[in-house]
Amino acid sequence: DADVTQTPRNRITKTGKRIMLECSQTKGHDRMYWYRQDPGLGLRLIYYSFDVKDINKGEISDGYSVSRQAQAKFSLSLESAIPNQTALYFCATSVKGFGELFFGEGSRLTVL
Amino acid sequence: QQQVKQSPQSLIVQKGGISIINCAYENTAFDYFPWYQQFPGKGPALLIAIRPDVSEKKEGRFTISFNKSAKQFSLHIMDSQPGDSATYFCAARWTSGFNKFYFGSGTKLNVKP
Repeated sequence: DADVTQTPRNRITKTGKRIMLECSQTKGHDRMYWYRQDPGLGLRLIYYSFDVKDINKGEISDGYSVSRQAQAKFSLSLESAIPNQTALYFCATSVKGFGELFFGEGSRLTVL
Repeated sequence: QQQVKQSPQSLIVQKGGISIINCAYENTAFDYFPWYQQFPGKGPALLIAIRPDVSEKKEGRFTISFNKSAKQFSLHIMDSQPGDSATYFCAARWTSGFNKFYFGSGTKLNVKP
């Protein structure tokens, strides 16, 4: 089983719908992140979290919200999806003080 | 404004050749520079990383060259193999207690047999 699990892996939805992408991890890491990947733009940070009580905005947080339900769970929500939110979304984890990010396998979201 | 600029966007190399991917940054607050490798359908995974107090780091066929004064770093893949075909991202970490990374735009490498 993957250490960082994302669900769903693929989702097609319509403009205006609410969407939630979920991430769970078994690595025991305290830090969790949501990134968005677009061709030619690389990976951009949406939100990040130190722990359950600490949530921080990243580079492109507009139109997104997150919830850290537990140390191991971090969800990304799109309250009203729009077509330019069509992208590949990655959840990642890390430990305090160490540089490596551990990524999930991604959630591909298409907004029609 | 992209904090880390990466080139080229795509690269085709013959098997056995050298693949070179370049990155540049402006912010001197960055303190750690990793490279991530991503295969289709997978998340990125750490390949190799360097701190700015060294000029080169080598792990097997992969080498990072770091030029602090020029604010540039590059990935060299020696004896490139078809299995190296993937997308490569450079990144830079903002100095802080939190691992906040800025990524380059990615380079899609195709190693032809």
